[in-house]
Amino acid sequence: DIVMTQSPSSLAVSAGDKVTMSCKSSQSLFSSEYQGNYLSWFQQKPGQSPKLLISLASTRETGVPDRFIGSGSGTDFTLTINSVQAEDLAVYYCEQYYSYPLTFGSGTKLEIK
Amino acid sequence: QVSLKESGPGILQPFQTLSLTCSFSGFSLGTSNMGVGWIRQTSGKGLEYLATIWWDDDKYFNPSLNSRLTVSKDTSNNQAFLKITSVDTADTGTYYCTQEGKEGIVDWGQGVMVTVSS
Repeated sequence: DIVMTQSPSSLAVSAGDKVTMSCKSSQSLFSSEYQGNYLSWFQQKPGQSPKLLISLASTRETGVPDRFIGSGSGTDFTLTINSVQAEDLAVYYCEQYYSYPLTFGSGTKLEIK
Repeated sequence: QVSLKESGPGILQPFQTLSLTCSFSGFSLGTSNMGVGWIRQTSGKGLEYLATIWWDDDKYFNPSLNSRLTVSKDTSNNQAFLKITSVDTADTGTYYCTQEGKEGIVDWGQGVMVTVSS
């Protein structure tokens, strides 16, 4: 199984701050066949199911604010949130879909001061 | 617009079989490269992948639970099903069905809570 490691486990920031969180995979998620990294980011707000923010490591879903930026390749990935808003309070998970079984990181909990 | 909704027993006893139904709209399991997956969220293991069934009846399972899992589908009625045999307290959690495509998990249901207790 591909192991996904996220850090930090939690962080507290003020509205307007820039946030970066890391996700590392135990093997490369790059597919030369499809020329993309099979890595998604999900946002889970309190009491809600996860919501897809970014797929293919850097492709934002329709309707996701452009302050959410995914980057990285291979085994190292980053989710950046520029100018955090109060509504961004959530746990953020990375997930690989390069191979089955799909695996998730343990999440980064974002708290707003 | 895609919508998925899970339904299940809520509470069951150890050693019973958990049966869950995913009712969905906005896509069809009769369409190429469409799949329905099952993910659970527990306090012990966080988000854990369980299984996927694809439009062509191809299936994938989490090896750690493989022998206990069954997935099936009813394409005509836009439903997918998951069965887990011989449950125990470690199976307590929230179970989600998901829409899967070539780009991975695209959408999630609202989730259904399952408690295993004697």
